[in-house]
Amino acid sequence: DAKTTQPTSMDCAEGRAANLPCNHSTISGNEYVYWYRQIHSQGPQYIIHGLKNNETNEMASLIITEDRKSSTLILPHATLRDTAVYYCISTRGSQGNLIFGKGTKLSVKP
Amino acid sequence: DSGVTQTPKHLITATGQRVTLRCSPRSGDLSVYWYQQSLDQGLQFLIQYYNGEERAKGNILERFSAQQFPDLHSELNLSSLELGDSALYFCASSVASGALTQYFGPGTRLTVL
Repeated sequence: DAKTTQPTSMDCAEGRAANLPCNHSTISGNEYVYWYRQIHSQGPQYIIHGLKNNETNEMASLIITEDRKSSTLILPHATLRDTAVYYCISTRGSQGNLIFGKGTKLSVKP
Repeated sequence: DSGVTQTPKHLITATGQRVTLRCSPRSGDLSVYWYQQSLDQGLQFLIQYYNGEERAKGNILERFSAQQFPDLHSELNLSSLELGDSALYFCASSVASGALTQYFGPGTRLTVL
């Protein structure tokens, strides 16, 4: 299974862009990169996913490097409500399930 | 609101007891997943059902069982409860089996005393 590496925590000022990095150097060619977030004790929330092209939706943008070994989730104008743990997932488990690591705790500050 | 509902929100019980957690998936979703989140283990996949059939099993204890009914709602049964079973239990749903785009419910917080 491919593994992901994320910083344990990050801070971001309200209104600024939050750039959350993820390393997935062992990702295989057909594995997507998925991002979820979990706001304190709520159910995880799907944000975005991509294979090799950059993706954008109403929540965020996903930038994947050309070699696909890393990606960055961008929240263009972070708000206090974006304070959460963000999980980068690059593979499914042997049972086809999501594998959640420890994620990055993003704190958006006024 | 993800469209996935879970009941109850909170459950407090004693060791040795049995409880049932209920989940209703989003309209149109055929697949239901159960996850456990404890402080020391993080989010762990337990089991998946698709259209009434078990499709995948994760780190689910033998004391735990689940089923998905014809109306697609699912129940997770936890028996002979131990203190260590105290956790948040999340249900998620997706249209297809094994899809990684999953929609999570608000969870059930189980406290075993």
